[in-house]
Amino acid sequence: EAGVTQSPTHLIKTRGQQATLRCSPISGHTSVYWYQQALGLGLQFLLWYDEGEERNRGNFPPRFSGRQFPNYSSELNVNALELEDSALYLCASSASGGPSTDTQYFGPGTRLTVL
Amino acid sequence: AQSVSQHNHHVILSEAASLELGCNYSYGGTVNLFWYVQYPGQHLQLLLKYFSGDPLVKGIKGFEAEFIKSKFSFNLRKPSVQWSDTAEYFCAVVNQAGTALIFGKGTTLSVSS
Repeated sequence: EAGVTQSPTHLIKTRGQQATLRCSPISGHTSVYWYQQALGLGLQFLLWYDEGEERNRGNFPPRFSGRQFPNYSSELNVNALELEDSALYLCASSASGGPSTDTQYFGPGTRLTVL
Repeated sequence: AQSVSQHNHHVILSEAASLELGCNYSYGGTVNLFWYVQYPGQHLQLLLKYFSGDPLVKGIKGFEAEFIKSKFSFNLRKPSVQWSDTAEYFCAVVNQAGTALIFGKGTTLSVSS
């Protein structure tokens, strides 16, 4: 069974640009989560999508946004990139029900570097 | 704000030594707890989880964790570590609203052969 996949593996952008990161969940999973893993800060929760709807967002500015498509894949968009946005962005998926019901399975991540 | 504390930032052990990594969370009530591991060059993988029932949870690769409600703790243990256990370990708890997973900052384990 294929796991969570993410693309691209690496992304290099300059300040002020926009970045788009993509995630495909495990087959049968309807929930997708996004996390930022910045150096020394651990994983910080960004967004949770389920059945195409945004269910929760973490303490990040509005320039971090995303969406979930009918096939349950998801996109994370980061506008007006800042240097501190450089991080590993992880996507996870779970069956429907949310974090208190189902285990999250993680993808390999997209390394975003902002110059 | 709800939080997870991992007390050890970096732990260095020799092979066959016993391991205990601390994890404390900041609120009471019903909790769902996880330990994830990130081996070098690999993605985050689930080691074990606690949702309810027996507070002593057994996971993969000989790891176990004990949920102690009175201490708000979920410490990870392994009786005898191997070189291949070298990795970063993350403790996580579902927030009280059940809408997000909150992670600790992680503990790097280095095992020398």
